[in-house]
Amino acid sequence: ILNVEQSPQSLHVQEGDSTNFTCSFPSSNFYALHWYRWETAKSPEALFVMTLNGDEKKKGRISATLNTKEGYSYLYIKGSQPEDSATYLCAFKEETSYDKVIFGPGTSLSVIP
Amino acid sequence: DAGVTQSPTHLIKTRGQQVTLRCSPKSGHDTVSWYQQALGQGPQFIFQYYEEEERQRGNFPDRFSGHQFPNYSSELNVNALLLGDSALYLCASSFTTGGYTFGSGTRLTVV
Repeated sequence: ILNVEQSPQSLHVQEGDSTNFTCSFPSSNFYALHWYRWETAKSPEALFVMTLNGDEKKKGRISATLNTKEGYSYLYIKGSQPEDSATYLCAFKEETSYDKVIFGPGTSLSVIP
Repeated sequence: DAGVTQSPTHLIKTRGQQVTLRCSPKSGHDTVSWYQQALGQGPQFIFQYYEEEERQRGNFPDRFSGHQFPNYSSELNVNALLLGDSALYLCASSFTTGGYTFGSGTRLTVV
């Protein structure tokens, strides 16, 4: 059974703080790692699809790194804003799994104004 | 361009009943995946449909079944509902190896 873990489970930060969270995934048969942002009462929104070891992706104040050899990815948010409050999900795709991805439990971020 | 549409948004059913949830994928997407999200957990993979066939299946009992139509839309059926089936059911569509586009989900409550 594939296991995808995320830490911390939840996080409360002050507006303007920078923060980061971790996604751990199996280091074998890697194909891709996805990050999603899920705001309350909305659909999960794709942030990044990462496929290469050493990949770094950036979207505004949010960036992510990928280490496939050791099986982890970091998501960074610089200068957190209240609108960044959401659950951040990572999802692992195995080499032989067509389009199926396995999700971690998510990190819930609350940014306090 | 419409994204993924799911219906209904909310549903209350009684134990033992059957339910059908519907999903229309994003235009241009040919693959539909269904996930169950229980409170405090990440989405759990139920199954995936491609070319009108179930291509992959997660660890869910046979009470969970599905269908994909020629227009790529999909249905999730759950028979003999249990209290533990209460969850948010998410549909996600994709094309080749891109990321998923999710619907807003159907909140199923079994009483």
